[in-house]
Amino acid sequence: DAGVTQSPTHLIKTRGQQVTLRCSPKSGHDTVSWYQQALGQGPQFIFQYYEEEERQRGNFPDRFSGHQFPNYSSELNVNALLLGDSALYLCASGEGGGNYGYTFGSGTRLTVV
Amino acid sequence: DAKTTQPNSMESNEEEPVHLPCNHSTISGTDYIHWYRQLPSQGPEYVIHGLTSNVNNRMASLAIAEDRKSSTLILHRATLRDAAVYYCILRDVGGTSYGKLTFGQGTILTVHP
Repeated sequence: DAGVTQSPTHLIKTRGQQVTLRCSPKSGHDTVSWYQQALGQGPQFIFQYYEEEERQRGNFPDRFSGHQFPNYSSELNVNALLLGDSALYLCASGEGGGNYGYTFGSGTRLTVV
Repeated sequence: DAKTTQPNSMESNEEEPVHLPCNHSTISGTDYIHWYRQLPSQGPEYVIHGLTSNVNNRMASLAIAEDRKSSTLILHRATLRDAAVYYCILRDVGGTSYGKLTFGQGTILTVHP
């Protein structure tokens, strides 16, 4: 049973560019959340998607946007990249809000230079 | 978001029990207590969760104080693979929280052979 799959695993971008990260949720899961984890810190909630709509959003600027597709997969887009956007981006999937816990992917390591 | 307080680090010897404490004095009636752990170079992994009663699963046990203002994650026999950052999280299932996870700094568990 495949868990949460994220791609790519590593990415290097230049300041000012745009990036798209992708996530395939665990089979049977319909809710996808995105988190940003800076080095040495705990993950910070970016937003959650359910039924193809953004259901909740954390304290992140509008440069961070996302999308959920009918097959429940999701994308995270970040525009006008800043050096401070360098982090591990984690995708977590759950059922109907993750009442029984979320399954996390291994993340995408984004480096902005 | 209700906050949790955990020790920055703890150490244990292999095959000994480990008790990881968490204080959450401002917990509300709709907050579930969730524990996740994050191994090096991986995304967080769900460990266990509970509301009021003590809980057991194949990974660990969760002991919840009667007033719910503190809890303890118990690893019955620590192995080297249990070395990780352990996060205690309060997850509100009421209102419009939709299951967002708010991570703190967590407890770094070191297991000695």
